[in-house]
Amino acid sequence: AQKVTQAQTEISVVEKEDVTLDCVYETRDTTYYLFWYKQPPSGELVFLIRRNSFDEQNEISGRYSWNFQKSTSSFNFTITASQVVDSAVYFCALSEVNSNDYKLSFGAGTTVTVRA
Amino acid sequence: DSGVTQTPKHLITATGQRVTLRCSPRSGDLSVYWYQQSLDQGLQFLIHYYNGEERAKGNILERFSAQQFPDLHSELNLSSLELGDSALYFCASSVAVNPLYNEQFFGPGTRLTVL
Repeated sequence: AQKVTQAQTEISVVEKEDVTLDCVYETRDTTYYLFWYKQPPSGELVFLIRRNSFDEQNEISGRYSWNFQKSTSSFNFTITASQVVDSAVYFCALSEVNSNDYKLSFGAGTTVTVRA
Repeated sequence: DSGVTQTPKHLITATGQRVTLRCSPRSGDLSVYWYQQSLDQGLQFLIHYYNGEERAKGNILERFSAQQFPDLHSELNLSSLELGDSALYFCASSVAVNPLYNEQFFGPGTRLTVL
């Protein structure tokens, strides 16, 4: 079963618009970690943010912010005032403690295109 | 630059062949993970090594094997290659196993094309 679902396949916006990426996860663990990674056209995977399951405080880091809600198993990510350089595929990932290997289970990714 | 290096960057080979992908983790990182990214399967975990020992296996085929050496670099060996093995192979490293302490940092990947 898919542990991480990113329902949005593609999002296209005009520069300076905000972009919100949805992520829904599934786990039986009480302790787990959630991540967002970015994959620009060059292909590398770039770490963006990490959240622990026991800390639901939502934060803002520069133009990035996230909304973590355990009650709905969602970990949404927002880019404020998008820029062309934000064009990339964004992956949400889950790491479960009880699996004892801490591997990352990735969603299918959301392709974000920011037009000038 | 994540500090994780992977060689080669690109690899083109024929079906039935064997290849070795190499990964050097960030300085001080003991954990090495391998992932495969393909169009049909997405990003899939293959195998995890910690300080030279295999920690966990994911969706790794029997034709694939890996090891982590005393200097902590890792190699992923792919044998009897098939067209479907064409993918981008990522290595990631982290200091510890538990992500409470740190996240996984990914290398630039090795793009394998099997003809």
